[in-house]
Amino acid sequence: SSELTQPPSVSVSPGQTANITCTGDALSRRYAYWYRQRPGQAPVMVIYKDTERASGTPVRFSASNSGTSVTLTINGVQAEDEADYYCQSAGSDGTLFGGGTKLTVL
Amino acid sequence: EVQLVQSGAELKKPGESLRISCEASGYTFTSDWISWVRQKPGKGLEWMGTTDPSDSYVKYGPSFQGRVTISSDESRSTVYLQWSSLQASDSATYYCARQGTDCGGECLDHWGQGTLVTVSS
Repeated sequence: SSELTQPPSVSVSPGQTANITCTGDALSRRYAYWYRQRPGQAPVMVIYKDTERASGTPVRFSASNSGTSVTLTINGVQAEDEADYYCQSAGSDGTLFGGGTKLTVL
Repeated sequence: EVQLVQSGAELKKPGESLRISCEASGYTFTSDWISWVRQKPGKGLEWMGTTDPSDSYVKYGPSFQGRVTISSDESRSTVYLQWSSLQASDSATYYCARQGTDCGGECLDHWGQGTLVTVSS
């Protein structure tokens, strides 16, 4: 399969933990990357090579990989974390994106 | 500082042609590939294709092959995305993004600010 699947939405209260999953066969063969996109802004990479925080990413962001599924975890969610989050990997036809998950901070 | 600066918003009519640009600075232009990504209003990210500025090689995503043309000009450190005949369905924000060498070219580590293209009669 050349698809990456994400839940459309996740909601958490401030200070709680948010988990956003991404599943797809490509994840068992290639690294996963995560991007945050705030309204009206360009995407920004927050996680690279499955688990590495990109420069400037707060330490409350972490990620894990378990074969065909990867999870982005945000501990102690803050209001500024409200955004769309996209997973990305590489497939045989090029770059793959998940459909995106809207994180709402209640 | 790596920067990708895109050309401004465009309002075009169906059937018209268009070329938008992405000027890179702050790194060696020919060292990293650059991709184009489409985002329709309220929708997700779609990878359109990528180019290697060192030799102008281009790979298109399956949904965009034959629909757009990606090119580059090393002398201007600029990558282009063009359409020969726009359709209303091409209305979207288009982003260019660098494929970073720190992740073997698989990730998009720097993004342009986006170019809004509106196609309407």
